[in-house]
Amino acid sequence: DSGVTQTPKHLITATGQRVTLRCSPRSGDLSVYWYQQSLDQGLQFLIQYYNGEERAKGNILERFSAQQFPDLHSELNLSSLELGDSALYFCASSVGRGGGNNSPLHFGNGTRLTVT
Amino acid sequence: GEDVEQSLFLSVREGDSSVINCTYTDSSSTYLYWYKQEPGAGLQLLTYIFSNMDMKQDQRLTVLLNKKDKHLSLRIADTQTGDSAIYFCAEKNQGGKLIFGQGTELSVKP
Repeated sequence: DSGVTQTPKHLITATGQRVTLRCSPRSGDLSVYWYQQSLDQGLQFLIQYYNGEERAKGNILERFSAQQFPDLHSELNLSSLELGDSALYFCASSVGRGGGNNSPLHFGNGTRLTVT
Repeated sequence: GEDVEQSLFLSVREGDSSVINCTYTDSSSTYLYWYKQEPGAGLQLLTYIFSNMDMKQDQRLTVLLNKKDKHLSLRIADTQTGDSAIYFCAEKNQGGKLIFGQGTELSVKP
């Protein structure tokens, strides 16, 4: 058990809808990362938050947004969903803010999103 | 640009050694990681190596790093059926971003 909790485990929704994925990081970790895993794109970094502030942005679509709350949990909001958004969405956390230090990422078990 | 490449599949017999290879392009990588993903689960950190090291051993796992060729490998000794999973190599660049390879699916046959 990595200590990173993601809910829900599975989500099925229709095109055009909006969903919210939730992540609780490991105790003591200040950084939260969101990744998307799909068969054709592999693991794609979406966004990172450190202690409530956006730290780094990856291949995140404008229809997607995220935030990290004062209690350090994070939510990823996906709107105007398309069939191609179907994927596994992982949250990971680390102690540090990133950078050159060794602050490995610990992953949750993911939320499987199916858009029909 | 930043890119991490792995072969997609590897099949071995139980008891043999497995070697999973990875190449990367970013010479400023600070740390390199190996993660394991079992079906329906998240990525589990297996081991890591700092970029100024060339080898790290951790029980059945041996990581070799050839920084000149930007080549990383993970050797699993005495491979068991429970080792069947997808193995991801990842590099951390100076900015702290973690770039993953596409994963190598290891199949262990009894």
